[in-house]
Amino acid sequence: AQSVTQLDSQVPVFEEAPVELRCNYSSSVSVYLFWYVQYPNQGLQLLLKYLSGSTLVKSINGFEAEFNKSQTSFHLRKPSVHISDTAEYFCAVTPPGTYKYIFGTGTRLKVLA
Amino acid sequence: DAGITQSPRHKVTETGTPVTLRCHQTENHRYMYWYRQDPGHGLRLIHYSYGVKDTDKGEVSDGYSVSRSKTEDFLLTLESATSSQTSVYFCAIRQSQVNTEAFFGQGTRLTVV
Repeated sequence: AQSVTQLDSQVPVFEEAPVELRCNYSSSVSVYLFWYVQYPNQGLQLLLKYLSGSTLVKSINGFEAEFNKSQTSFHLRKPSVHISDTAEYFCAVTPPGTYKYIFGTGTRLKVLA
Repeated sequence: DAGITQSPRHKVTETGTPVTLRCHQTENHRYMYWYRQDPGHGLRLIHYSYGVKDTDKGEVSDGYSVSRSKTEDFLLTLESATSSQTSVYFCAIRQSQVNTEAFFGQGTRLTVV
């Protein structure tokens, strides 16, 4: 069975500072990896995904995540955050060929002025 | 938006009453999911569907049933609502096994009093 761990439930950071949101997963098979973002009172939106190939994937709004197979991690980073990045971020996995997604418990990013 | 409409968006109901939440999609996607979101638990899968009349249980299916009589509609029913079912419910859709992204609705906030 797969599982996803997001150790940090809340991460406060000042505007324009860098941030890293951690995600570790457990799986005996290969998985696809995702980061979703949820703004207040909204549904989840896909931020970026790793399926195969280059281990560094990037989003259009400056976030990036690196797949590390040996560490079974998929940490999300941004070099300089904005107030508008304040949201909850969820890491998720799905084994190829299956229907199900397994989500972590989420990390609430709060960007401070 | 990915063409997903959840209704109602908010509902307050009494313990012991039946409740049905509706998810409607205009994308003709094959897979549909119901998740619940609770603080400290992230998103947990209740039920999912891989086609008309084809459904299966997720990790927290007790007390819930689903039906999918048309491609575009996936109904979640709480047969006899309990306070532990107070939550935010999200519907998600996915086009196929090849297309890996899941798209989420805006959510339904259900309060059982």
